[in-house]
Amino acid sequence: KQEVTQIPAALSVPEGENLVLNCSFTDSAIYNLQWFRQDPGKGLTSLLLIQSSQREQTSGRLNASLDKSSGRSTLYIAASQPGDSATYLCATYNQGGKLIFGQGTELSVKP
Amino acid sequence: GAVVSQHPSRVICKSGTSVKIECRSLDFQATTMFWYRQFPKQSLMLMATSNEGSKATYEQGVEKDKFLINHASLTLSTLTVTSAHPEDSSFYICSASSLDTSNSPLHFGNGTRLTVT
Repeated sequence: KQEVTQIPAALSVPEGENLVLNCSFTDSAIYNLQWFRQDPGKGLTSLLLIQSSQREQTSGRLNASLDKSSGRSTLYIAASQPGDSATYLCATYNQGGKLIFGQGTELSVKP
Repeated sequence: GAVVSQHPSRVICKSGTSVKIECRSLDFQATTMFWYRQFPKQSLMLMATSNEGSKATYEQGVEKDKFLINHASLTLSTLTVTSAHPEDSSFYICSASSLDTSNSPLHFGNGTRLTVT
């Protein structure tokens, strides 16, 4: 059974800092890994999707990496801004056809 | 981009009543829709997967007679919480996909905050 863990659970940084969010998973037999953003009381917005054959994906100030062999993914946010404050969730899509989520990292970027 | 609309965004009901939540794909045909439940400060837990025209597949521990899912068309799925109780209070989120989900991201609705008094 796939288990997805995110560390840290919460993170507070000053504006402008670069930061890394971590995601680990127990079952490496995944089709893809996705990073989402969730604002309070809202649904999820897809940020990046990394296929199992890929090592990383980039979108603007965001870069996500994937290391299947070690069961890890990182989301790197460059030059953080207060508007980046949200909860970030990673999720793996497994062969069972299900998206399994981590518990999220709540990010706060202070102006 | 693909848009998923979820309605209502917020509902308060009395214990014992039933509540229906709608999930619509606005600009694509959703062959598969997923329903999730999220408790405060916790992650999303998959409740069930529904495919258009067939019965939903429920996750272990989810009561199918309590959480009725109907996916009658390629653009609409509904979740009905029957005889709601305070412990059913939660944030419910749907997602939809028209493609092979192993290759494309899921699109999520904005969620429904259910409060049962």
